[in-house]
Amino acid sequence: QVHLVESGGGVVQPGRSLRLSCSASGFTFNTYAMHWVRQAPGRGLEWVTLISFDGNNKYYADSVKGRFTISRDNSKNTLYLHMNTLTTDDTALYYCARDKKGSGWSAFDYWGQGTLVTVSS
Amino acid sequence: QSALTQPVSVSGSPGQLITISCTGSSTDIRHFNYVSWYQQHPGKAPKLIISEVKNRPSGVSNRFSASKSGHTASLIISGLQAEDEADYYCSSYTSTSTLIVFGGGTRVTVL
Repeated sequence: QVHLVESGGGVVQPGRSLRLSCSASGFTFNTYAMHWVRQAPGRGLEWVTLISFDGNNKYYADSVKGRFTISRDNSKNTLYLHMNTLTTDDTALYYCARDKKGSGWSAFDYWGQGTLVTVSS
Repeated sequence: QSALTQPVSVSGSPGQLITISCTGSSTDIRHFNYVSWYQQHPGKAPKLIISEVKNRPSGVSNRFSASKSGHTASLIISGLQAEDEADYYCSSYTSTSTLIVFGGGTRVTVL
């Protein structure tokens, strides 16, 4: 069955960087688009970024554009999120989610359990 | 402030039917059929329950249904059960610079 496992979260100071990873299994990773979606403590869901199945197309929410970079290594079935210039507003549980389609967006059909990022001095 | 507007809370008694609305604008729900709904129990990851406005994934109870009219999407839960108590989020594709937007979430309480 589809399995997504995020890692790399932790406590980081404002202005610093962090890289999250999402290990995928149970499906043909290189045929699906992938996303990062975050949820601040006690708050709702916020879409962060999307990468197409082949890594050629990437899209970002305005709130992270220019600071975050999504990437993938299809040979390792792994999705990444490089986060730079972090602020306290980036504090959240970060979910890796699979798209129903290979490119563009349809729906988030499988989710990981999330990795917590806390930005604090 | 979320791009899509949902009621903060909805409640109902076991066996009842409840409806959760999700109101958007001309840049999202009205013009695109990429509306989806997610159920999230406390401390758990969200779960897809409706995609492309009204499609129910395999394994999701047929007590969940959904529709769209104009710039408002709706999730209907019939035969409300205790296990339906959770947060529900709508999401839509948008033509704005942020590709995908969520509603603020609706807490469903079973009385």
